[in-house]
Formats: sequence, C-alpha cells, structure tokens
Amino acid sequence: NAGVMQNPRHLVRRRGQEARLRCSPMKGHSHVYWYRQLPEEGLKFMVYLQKENIIDESGMPKERFSAEFPKEGPSILRIQQVVRGDSAAYFCASSPQEGSTEAFFGQGTRLTVV
Amino acid sequence: AQSVAQPEDQVNVAEGNPLTVKCTYSVSGNPYLFWYVQYPNRGLQFLLKYITGDNLVKGSYGFEAEFNKSQTSFHLKKPSALVSDSALYFCAVREASGAGSYQLTFGKGTKLSVIP
Repeated sequence: NAGVMQNPRHLVRRRGQEARLRCSPMKGHSHVYWYRQLPEEGLKFMVYLQKENIIDESGMPKERFSAEFPKEGPSILRIQQVVRGDSAAYFCASSPQEGSTEAFFGQGTRLTVV
Repeated sequence: AQSVAQPEDQVNVAEGNPLTVKCTYSVSGNPYLFWYVQYPNRGLQFLLKYITGDNLVKGSYGFEAEFNKSQTSFHLKKPSALVSDSALYFCAVREASGAGSYQLTFGKGTKLSVIP
C-alpha cells in the first residue's frame, strides 16, 4: 500500500510562472490537506479538501493560490504568478475520514522561485 | 485558537545519554497531540500520538512522550540517544472535536543533534 505520493519532489520556477503541485492520497483516503513549510518555520495549514469539495481554505493566501481534488486523479495545488516568497516546502497529507486521529504525510514538494 | 511552543530551537546531546525535546500547547478543548520527525530533504514521519488513556505514550524508534494536562506539555523523550536520531522534530496539536478539529497546528521545530 503506497503512501501519500507527491510530485514533483523539487520544482524550480521563474517569477511570474505557474507552479502545479500534485498529491495522490493513500489508497482509500478521500480527505486531503495541504500544508506549507517556510524556511525555519513549522508547517502551516493551507486547505482541506474532500473529493470535489473544498471544505476549509482559511489558510490559503487570498490571491494566486488555488486547490482542487477532482473525482478522478490527484489533488492539485496551483500557484499562479509565483514570487520569491512562495519558495517553500509544500506537504500534502491524507486521511480516510474526517474523524481520523492521524493524517499521513507525503514527502513534500520543494518549490524554488528564481 | 490553538498553538504549540517548542522553546528550544536546538538540543545537543551526547550519544547514549537520555534526550528530551520540549513541547507545550494551547487548545480550547481536549487535545490530540503528535510528534513528527523530519530528516533533511525528507517528509514528515509520524513518531507517536496521544489521543486518550495512559499519559505515557510509546512510539517508533524507542521514543516516548508524556502528556501532562496540568502543565499543558507533551515532551518527547528517549532513554539513550543515537547519532541516527539527529533530525528536526515537530510537535503538533489538534482539537479532539469541533469546527476545524482536523487542522494540525505545528510548533516551529527543534533540531536535535546527537554527538558521537
């Protein structure tokens, strides 16, 4: 049973480009969470999605960031017109249901904006 | 609002000595508490969790943590440190129930260095 898969592991974008980060949850998991880890910081919650629904996006920046979790395929975190301050590690976690006591994390995508 | 404090940015310990990584938390209801470890350029690996029951929780790789409700603490411990334990350790909390209870709040992390 594969764990949470994130790709790419490393992503380099120039300022103004778009970044797309993918997350495939563990088999049987229908709840996905995205977190961002800035340098020297802990992880900060960004968004919580279930299949085809955004449940809580209170941690998402108001502009340029969006997330989806379609009926088929991975969850996508999309950052438009990236800026240097978007450079961070983005982690995805999944759980089988909302009341689960534990979320399983992927290995993260490290985004570098040059 | 919930929060986690890890008061030490770095902890140095000699190999074979006991180690403690401190964590205190704040939540409005009952807490679920977690420890994760992050090795360089790797993801988060789950170590252990406290949900309910015995205040002393045992986890992976010989780690344990003690939940202390009166002190709102959840310190991570290991009786004998290994060089391979050197990594970044994160404490996290979430509320047991209520709106937003799925959200984990993380501390800033403590870098553990075990000296041979």
